[in-house]
Amino acid sequence: LAKTTQPISMDSYEGQEVNITCSHNNIATNDYITWYQQFPSQGPRFIIQGYKTKVTNEVASLFIPADRKSSTLSLPRVSLSDTAVYYCLVGEDSGGYQKVTFGTGTKLQVIP
Amino acid sequence: GAVVSQHPSRVICKSGTSVKIECRSLDFQATTMFWYRQFPKKSLMLMATSNEGSKATYEQGVEKDKFLINHASLTLSTLTVTSAHPEDSSFYICSATPLGQETQYFGPGTRLLVL
Repeated sequence: LAKTTQPISMDSYEGQEVNITCSHNNIATNDYITWYQQFPSQGPRFIIQGYKTKVTNEVASLFIPADRKSSTLSLPRVSLSDTAVYYCLVGEDSGGYQKVTFGTGTKLQVIP
Repeated sequence: GAVVSQHPSRVICKSGTSVKIECRSLDFQATTMFWYRQFPKKSLMLMATSNEGSKATYEQGVEKDKFLINHASLTLSTLTVTSAHPEDSSFYICSATPLGQETQYFGPGTRLLVL
């Protein structure tokens, strides 16, 4: 499985844009990149998924360079409620389904 | 859309008893569901992959006779922790992938405490 590496923690002030970068040097051709948010004692919540270039939805943007060896999750104007752990996952095609391995994640602390 | 539920949300049991946790995809069908375990302040660890109508595939180090998985339909998978011990106390999370998609959607988790 493609291993991912993220910063263990980040701090940001409210209202700022936060960019969390993840490296996945051995990503395979069929692998997608997915980001999840997890609050304590809850299951991970899907944020965004992409394969290449840029993807944007109502909560975040995902930037993926041409070599796909890294990706950056961008959260615009964070609020205190965005304090959570963010996981970058790379799915591996395991014969009809995508299998993922969770890394350490990035603990984002939003400061008032 | 893509909602996954788990039941119960938390359970306390005595050592030696068995506990069943249900995972349901509420608004989609899923041939594949996954079971994870998460210890405090740690990341999720994949325990097994549950395929509808076939035997589950367990990750290395996970005892298949202790963690029984049944995927009886396209919307339901169950995890039974047999002869539970205090070291089995953990947060168990399931996920499901809608047919034809690659994204996993996670349930809210089940907190198991074995006394």
